[in-house]
Amino acid sequence: AQSVSQHNHHVILSEAASLELGCNYSYGGTVNLFWYVQYPGQHLQLLLKYFSGDPLVKGIKGFEAEFIKSKFSFNLRKPSVQWSDTAEYFCAVMGTTSGTYKYIFGTGTRLKVLA
Amino acid sequence: DAGVTQSPTHLIKTRGQHVTLRCSPISGHKSVSWYQQVLGQGPQFIFQYYEKEERGRGNFPDRFSARQFPNYSSELNVNALLLGDSALYLCASSLREGRGIQYFGAGTRLSVL
Repeated sequence: AQSVSQHNHHVILSEAASLELGCNYSYGGTVNLFWYVQYPGQHLQLLLKYFSGDPLVKGIKGFEAEFIKSKFSFNLRKPSVQWSDTAEYFCAVMGTTSGTYKYIFGTGTRLKVLA
Repeated sequence: DAGVTQSPTHLIKTRGQHVTLRCSPISGHKSVSWYQQVLGQGPQFIFQYYEKEERGRGNFPDRFSARQFPNYSSELNVNALLLGDSALYLCASSLREGRGIQYFGAGTRLSVL
């Protein structure tokens, strides 16, 4: 079955702590991977993406993610979080089958950063 | 620049009715996707349209349909509403299909009573 699993539903960190949010996917064939973020009161927006090439991708606001094909994982990391990183984070997969597209989102991780 | 706009923002319907939700993409974007987001879950993909043609479909029943107009705006129609259709419906636009970066609207909150 095609799916995206995010291991942590709620994460609470203090400012300056390191962050790693887990994401594993199950999808046959070529995939493109995304992390989206939704700040309080704002729309979903793209944080970073992986299509091909270097499996370590960098996004906005100091976030990065590493694609590990053998583990079907695309974990999100940030060395030092800030209070303004409080948001909900979604991992997503876009797959292609016979020229049509399908997008699968994880259930999301709510991150709260304490000042 | 205007982002993705959706209307209405809120809607209340009763079981069995039908509903039409509307989406205007960012100017220049030719692809529109629709998602359903139930409280506590991630967005569930319903459709993607590009140049007025359906280019992707999620696992939703035939009660859900959509179309894209020549100006690239889009409508999502849901017939025979069920209580379980209560959700936030998100529209996202992108320059192109597939790998195009998606920009999301604020959504339409549908309540089915």
